[in-house]
Amino acid sequence: LAKTTQPISMDSYEGQEVNITCSHNNIATNDYITWYQQFPSQGPRFIIQGYKTKVTNEVASLFIPADRKSSTLSLPRVSLSDTAVYYCLVGPRNQAGTALIFGKGTTLSVSS
Amino acid sequence: GAGVSQSPSNKVTEKGKDVELRCDPISGHTALYWYRQSLGQGLEFLIYFQGNSAPDKSGLPSDRFSAERTGGSVSTLTIQRTQQEDSAVYLCASSSTRNTEAFFGQGTRLTVV
Repeated sequence: LAKTTQPISMDSYEGQEVNITCSHNNIATNDYITWYQQFPSQGPRFIIQGYKTKVTNEVASLFIPADRKSSTLSLPRVSLSDTAVYYCLVGPRNQAGTALIFGKGTTLSVSS
Repeated sequence: GAGVSQSPSNKVTEKGKDVELRCDPISGHTALYWYRQSLGQGLEFLIYFQGNSAPDKSGLPSDRFSAERTGGSVSTLTIQRTQQEDSAVYLCASSSTRNTEAFFGQGTRLTVV
C-alpha cells in the first residue's frame, strides 16, 4: 500500500476553511484516496473518497491533482465540532484481501 | 444490526488473565478489521479477515494475541496472559469488498491492572 504523509497537527478558528494535504508519491494506478475523521473516544468515520480531480459531499471536498501524488481535504467554514483527527488512506478499492492501514493522522484543533 | 457492535464496551482485568473481545460486523460485510489504539496514539493495525480467513496477521503484537471469525460474521479477539501494556481501546471495523469504506464500532476499552 502507498505510504502517506500528513501534517501532525493544524490549528484553525471557527468559520475558516481548512485544507489538509496528504502526500502519497507512490500511489498506484488502481489506488483510491480515502479520508476518515476520528473524534475522541470514538472509532473513525468515513468522510470522503476519490480517484482524481474533485469530489464533493455534504461534509467536505477532496482535491486530487492530475499526477495524484497528493490530495487535499477541504473543510469549509469549520466549527468547534470539527476538532478531530483526520486520516488519509491510499489503497485499491475493489480488491479483496487488502488491509486498511492508518497513519498517525492530522490533529485539527478549532478554536472560537 | 445497523452498525458494528463490540462487546464489552469496557473491560477491567487482572494482569495474567485471558480476555475475549467480540465484534459483530454489519450484516453482509465480508471484510473485518481489528485495531488497537492507545491513549493519544494512532490506530495500530492488528489483523484483517476476508470471510473466515485472515490473509494478514502481520499486526498481531505477540503470540498472546489471536483472533478468529466464524460463519463470515462474528469475530473474537483473544488476549492471553494480559499485560499492562495491553491496556488500550480495541476497535473493530467492517466493510464490503465492493467499497473500502470501513464502518467502525465504538470499541472496547481494556484496562489491565
